[in-house]
Amino acid sequence: QQKVQQSPESLTVSEGAMASLNCTFSDRSSDNFRWYRQHSGKGLEVLVSIFSDGEKEEGSFTAHLNRASLHVFLHIREPQPSDSALYLCAVDTNAYKVIFGKGTHLHVLP
Amino acid sequence: EAGVTQSPRYAVLQEGQAVSFWCDPISGHDTLYWYQQPRDQGPQLLVYFRDEAVIDNSQLPSDRFSAVRPKGTNSTLKIQSAKQGDTATYLCASSLNANSDYTFGSGTRLLVI
Repeated sequence: QQKVQQSPESLTVSEGAMASLNCTFSDRSSDNFRWYRQHSGKGLEVLVSIFSDGEKEEGSFTAHLNRASLHVFLHIREPQPSDSALYLCAVDTNAYKVIFGKGTHLHVLP
Repeated sequence: EAGVTQSPRYAVLQEGQAVSFWCDPISGHDTLYWYQQPRDQGPQLLVYFRDEAVIDNSQLPSDRFSAVRPKGTNSTLKIQSAKQGDTATYLCASSLNANSDYTFGSGTRLLVI
């Protein structure tokens, strides 16, 4: 059974400082990884999808996948207070289903 | 293209009452998912369908929850005899096929008092 864990549970950064979020998974054969953002009371917004080891950049968001170490990171460049939200890591399994982590609450201070 | 539509937006129940949630996926999407998202936590998969067939419902509390997708299009998730612990947002998502990105609906927020 695929396990997805995120750390830290909560992260506070100052406006403009890099924010780095971590996600670990248990199944190396997982084939697709996504990061979502969810503002309080709102729906899920996909930020970046990554399939291959290495980096993928979408605007101020960069995902870094390392299957060997079972990690996928999200780096947020120059975050703004409006980026304060719940960030969710989602991992596709081979069985058509996506498993989410519990999320990291990001707080960006002005 | 219309997105994934869910209704109702909100539901408030007393314990023991029943409720149904409805999802209209994007036209042509063969895979449909229901997730439960407790407040400030990640979504947890309840059940998913490929066309009308249930692929995995192992996380669905079968004594009180049921889900159907009779024609492989719209889907209904029903909770019999709701409990306070069912308080959460219920999200529906669909994808064209197993290798496609998901599209999520805006969810139904359930409060059980």
